[in-house]
Amino acid sequence: AQSVTQPDIHITVSEGASLELRCNYSYGATPYLFWYVQSPGQGLQLLLKYFSGDTLVQGIKGFEAEFKRSQSSFNLRKPSVHWSDAAEYFCAVGTENTGNQFYFGTGTSLTVIP
Amino acid sequence: DAGITQSPRHKVTETGTPVTLRCHQTENHRYMYWYRQDPGHGLRLIHYSYGVKDTDKGEVSDGYSVSRSKTEDFLLTLESATSSQTSVYFCAISDRMGEQFFGPGTRLTVL
Repeated sequence: AQSVTQPDIHITVSEGASLELRCNYSYGATPYLFWYVQSPGQGLQLLLKYFSGDTLVQGIKGFEAEFKRSQSSFNLRKPSVHWSDAAEYFCAVGTENTGNQFYFGTGTSLTVIP
Repeated sequence: DAGITQSPRHKVTETGTPVTLRCHQTENHRYMYWYRQDPGHGLRLIHYSYGVKDTDKGEVSDGYSVSRSKTEDFLLTLESATSSQTSVYFCAISDRMGEQFFGPGTRLTVL
């Protein structure tokens, strides 16, 4: 069965510092991978997605993620965090084999300190 | 932003009462989904639809039913609400295997 693991429940970083959020997935074939961000009281917004091709993908708000097949990982990175990046981040995997279902990790809450 | 609305946005109800949540889209996307979001669990799929009158169960479907009589509307019904169904419910839409677009959510409290 497909699954997504985000091992870090909560991360605190200083403003201006770099950020890496971890995501590992379990899926038999090449998955479609996504990162979403959720601000308090809001719905989810797509940051970036990987379907195929270049394994380093760029997203909105200065985020990027790298697909590493050998490690079954799709970690999210940002070189310099801004206070407005404080939010909940979700990794997700999609698959066509099971009716276009998407599977989400449990999320990582990011706190940014001045 | 994708055209997705959810109604109501907030609801408080009592145990044992029926509740229906509505998701409406203006994007003509084929796939529609209902998720619930609870602390420590992320988003869990309740039901999804891959076309009019075509629906299937997700990970946490017990106690929930859905209907899709038109492309644009996807209804989630709690036949007899329980306190364990207190949650935030999100509707999402997707076109083929593409990104999902999420609605603003419905906060449901079952007393």
